[in-house]
Amino acid sequence: DAGVIQSPRHEVTEMGQEVTLRCKPISGHNSLFWYRQTMMRGLELLIYFNNNVPIDDSGMPEDRFSAKMPNASFSTLKIQPSEPRDSAVYFCASSLLQGQPQHFGDGTRLSIL
Amino acid sequence: AQKVTQAQTEISVVEKEDVTLDCVYETRDTTYYLFWYKQPPSGELVFLIRRNSFDEQNEISGRYSWNFQKSTSSFNFTITASQVVDSAVYFCALSEARFSGGYQKVTFGIGTKLQVIP
Repeated sequence: DAGVIQSPRHEVTEMGQEVTLRCKPISGHNSLFWYRQTMMRGLELLIYFNNNVPIDDSGMPEDRFSAKMPNASFSTLKIQPSEPRDSAVYFCASSLLQGQPQHFGDGTRLSIL
Repeated sequence: AQKVTQAQTEISVVEKEDVTLDCVYETRDTTYYLFWYKQPPSGELVFLIRRNSFDEQNEISGRYSWNFQKSTSSFNFTITASQVVDSAVYFCALSEARFSGGYQKVTFGIGTKLQVIP
């Protein structure tokens, strides 16, 4: 079975540009998570979806960040406008049920110049 | 509130040595889940083990073993006869069974970076 698929793997863009990260969860998983990982702050939960509905977006840094899950097999995390401090590795993860292990994608390494 | 502490930020061992990664957690719940994840230098996060709070039996998987002790709120991870391929950052995580804010939140520790020197 395919794991969580994220695209792109790497993204380098200039400050002010819009960035869209994509995620395809494991089929059948009803929980989806977006995380950000930096050296300074470690793994931070940005937003959690359950059955395509955003349940907790308290970790979204500011209004420049938005996430959608239009269907069970696709989610996006958008940053507009991007800033250098947004540079990080962004992970998407999915789990079958709450309390079950989260399975992570390979991450998107984002660099904002 | 749930909390996970990994006091060891970095550990270096020589290949073939045994190494234990510590994880101490805090929770008010009696039902919860504990996890370990591995993040090798390539960057992906790999699930290693899940343990629920009612199962204190230690687990062994090859060179990996986990020691869960509720009395000390610890869920330590031991690698026996370490190998260079074990070099990675290891994360401990906790999920309470009760719903907080509408779901069972997962809290990750800050990770322990393990370097195995050949």
